[in-house]
Amino acid sequence: EVQLLESGGGFVQPGGSLRLSCAASGFTFTNYAMSWVRQAPGKGLEWVSAITGRGDRIFYADSVKGHFTISRDNSRNTLFLQMNSLRAEDTALYYCTKAGVDTNMIFDSWGQGTLVTVSS
Amino acid sequence: EVVLTQSPVTLSLSPGDTATLSCRASQSVNSYLAWFQVKPGQAPRLLIYDASNRATGIPARFSGSGSGTDFTLTISSLEPEDFAVYYCQQRYNWPPLTFGGGTKVEIK
Repeated sequence: EVQLLESGGGFVQPGGSLRLSCAASGFTFTNYAMSWVRQAPGKGLEWVSAITGRGDRIFYADSVKGHFTISRDNSRNTLFLQMNSLRAEDTALYYCTKAGVDTNMIFDSWGQGTLVTVSS
Repeated sequence: EVVLTQSPVTLSLSPGDTATLSCRASQSVNSYLAWFQVKPGQAPRLLIYDASNRATGIPARFSGSGSGTDFTLTISSLEPEDFAVYYCQQRYNWPPLTFGGGTKVEIK
């Protein structure tokens, strides 16, 4: 059974940083692309970033380019999202998703999310 | 960027009814469209991928159709657990991957 467990969320002031993690199990992690999707309070889903299985291709939404960095450690089956220069509009529930082989971006499994709140 | 517009925003129905949800793309996405179900406090669930393919474990009452710019998710004979918010998402022209604004299926 695929399991994705996010952690690292919390309360941070504007301009601060957080590092989200997603521990994956139940599948061969290195074979699959992974992605982050977020949902602001009362809003819809928004794609944030994606990374291929070997980490050789990385993609970002324009809204986070330059202040978020996605990475993965295939030896530890873990996906990361380093979030710097956080802004109030980054407040959201952040989901980790399994995104299919290569870059097919079929989000077939999701975690339950970790909440990030940016406020002074 | 491909904009996905979902309608209606809210659908008020009773258990046993049929729900018909629409997703329209601002440009063709071929058949690379998925549907997700989101409930509070739960992980989102993939229902349909590539317009009409049910994901693993999804009941047959969920079906998808369409291609190009117009897509439909049909839920036949609504069960109590089907009342939720539904999103469409395209993976044809990206980045960015984009989602629709969602349709809430509520109990009438």
